[in-house]
Amino acid sequence: DTEVTQTPKHLVMGMTNKKSLKCEQHMGHRAMYWYKQKAKKPPELMFVYSYEKLSINESVPSRFSPECPNSSLLNLHLHALQPEDSALYLCASSQETVERYEQYFGPGTRLTVT
Amino acid sequence: AQTVTQSQPEMSVQEAETVTLSCTYDTSENNYYLFWYKQPPSRQMILVIRQEAYKQQNATENRFSVNFQKAAKSFSLKISDSQLGDTAMYFCAFMKHSGAQKLVFGQGTRLTINP
Repeated sequence: DTEVTQTPKHLVMGMTNKKSLKCEQHMGHRAMYWYKQKAKKPPELMFVYSYEKLSINESVPSRFSPECPNSSLLNLHLHALQPEDSALYLCASSQETVERYEQYFGPGTRLTVT
Repeated sequence: AQTVTQSQPEMSVQEAETVTLSCTYDTSENNYYLFWYKQPPSRQMILVIRQEAYKQQNATENRFSVNFQKAAKSFSLKISDSQLGDTAMYFCAFMKHSGAQKLVFGQGTRLTINP
């Protein structure tokens, strides 16, 4: 089973709203990732959690706030977003061992900021 | 910093044909991983094939195979007997060989398989 789930599938929010994206995996993976993907572009890394600790922050604006409550769950809290933040937000996870290191992606949340 | 270049923005072939997608990368690392991911119009990113840099043998997964040339920093993907379901955006990606690391993606190649 290589399933990563993300909710919601679509989200429309105003610039003053607060919302959260959720990502879940039950593969026992110890690393989880948030990527942002604009139309017709490759994904760009935002954050990496390794063993529930934030290990990489790619200089993401503070209006994006990640949270990893446990090893299976990853959230991305959104506040005071800008229209240019509209994108597909992808979550991924990996086992983080020498033998198993590939990242598995969820279906994404399509975010529109109005 | 690592960079990945895919020189073919779009490709189109007939069903059952063989197609090769190109990828080159630049890195000073000696140990690393390379991947091909597929993203169909439904948008889910799917891992197609992976290659460890320390392995000389080219990876294969059913109809998908790679030609890994470490000295030339080249990592092409060959799809044999192409099928309509292979229509997708294909991304080549690089990752360092140490812990949880970011994937560095190329710009992608949009592949269309025509009936």
